[in-house]
Amino acid sequence: AQSVTQLGSHVSVSEGALVLLRCNYSSSVPPYLFWYVQYPNQGLQLLLKYTSAATLVKGINGFEAEFKKSETSFHLTKPSAHMSDAAEYFCAVRKDNNNDMRFGAGTRLTVKP
Amino acid sequence: DVKVTQSSRYLVKRTGEKVFLECVQDMDHENMFWYRQDPGLGLRLIYFSYDVKMKEKGDIPEGYSVSREKKERFSLILESASTNQTSMYLCASSLVGQRPSTDTQYFGPGTRLTVL
Repeated sequence: AQSVTQLGSHVSVSEGALVLLRCNYSSSVPPYLFWYVQYPNQGLQLLLKYTSAATLVKGINGFEAEFKKSETSFHLTKPSAHMSDAAEYFCAVRKDNNNDMRFGAGTRLTVKP
Repeated sequence: DVKVTQSSRYLVKRTGEKVFLECVQDMDHENMFWYRQDPGLGLRLIYFSYDVKMKEKGDIPEGYSVSREKKERFSLILESASTNQTSMYLCASSLVGQRPSTDTQYFGPGTRLTVL
């Protein structure tokens, strides 16, 4: 079964510092991977998705993620954190030809001034 | 812009009550989903529907049922609410393209249900 594991339920960085949120997947077939963000009191919003076209995927708000098959990872990064990045981030995987998606437990990002 | 709306942001019900959560999307999407979100567990799929009157069980369908009589509306029903169903419920929809795997799911704002 497809699944994702997010390492670290809470991550805290200073404003301007690098953001690194970790996601590892388990999949017996090429996965389709997603990062979503949830701001307080809102639903989830797509940040970026990996569809096998390119291993480095750029998303909204300066975020990007790199698909590494050898490490079964899809970590999310941003070079310089902004206060507005404080939110909860979810990694998700979907198997081809399947309508459903599996989400990780989420990582709450705190940005300190 | 795709808009997914949920009937209530906050709901308080008593144990044993029948509860209806409504979700409406305005982009003619074929697929609709219901998830529950709990701290430390992420989102877990309850049910999804890929067409009117069609439904598929997700990972945790027990205690829930769904209804999709119209393409734009997907309802989640708690037949007899219990305290362990206190949670955040999120609805989502997506368009079926040539590659279902790459379809983006669009989420509503969520309904926070408390069962007393």
